[in-house]
Amino acid sequence: GAVVSQHPSRVICKSGTSVKIECRSLDFQATTMFWYRQFPKKSLMLMATSNEGSKATYEQGVEKDKFLINHASLTLSTLTVTSAHPEDSSFYICSARGAPTYNEQFFGPGTRLTVL
Amino acid sequence: QQQVKQSPQSLIVQKGGISIINCAYENTAFDYFPWYQQFPGKGPALLIAIRPDVSEKKEGRFTISFNKSAKQFSLHIMDSQPGDSATYFCAASKAAGNKLTFGGGTRVLVKP
Repeated sequence: GAVVSQHPSRVICKSGTSVKIECRSLDFQATTMFWYRQFPKKSLMLMATSNEGSKATYEQGVEKDKFLINHASLTLSTLTVTSAHPEDSSFYICSARGAPTYNEQFFGPGTRLTVL
Repeated sequence: QQQVKQSPQSLIVQKGGISIINCAYENTAFDYFPWYQQFPGKGPALLIAIRPDVSEKKEGRFTISFNKSAKQFSLHIMDSQPGDSATYFCAASKAAGNKLTFGGGTRVLVKP
């Protein structure tokens, strides 16, 4: 159990366009979802925390208007990278926690974004 | 401010050997310390976790040692296997399930 999926797994887009990444909890209700960003051979950096039905809480230095996060249901959160630029190219990973194991985050497989 | 420092950045170990990775934290409010394993192009997966009320936890070939006074914890991988070759991250949070602060990662290569 406790499976988290992400879609798409890879996406290539042109500079200036927007890209939406989905994060789904497949077999549990995710009351909280987290979005991380990971550069090649680097660690995971938390971007934001979202609770179902509430506005996301962004970490310091993360642009809210650039990285739009929506957590409208207990099984789906989306991250939209608006007006993407090459420096936004990265590996984006979501994680989720919820009933019954609130004390553990389950990570998705990640989405590789390349902005040309 | 790097709240969780991890070392070494990389290590090579022979099959059957012991891999040891160390982490140090600064924030005394942290009370949950998980270790994650990540393969290239994949998300991290929880290996083992510990809370400060115990000094050691073992699950199979993986052992966490925790030193609360020194604010340090380490991961020992016993009888390392080529399949253990991956990047390992320590992390910390103020409570299990809360937002995680990750260490910098250690790339482990187990040679057959």
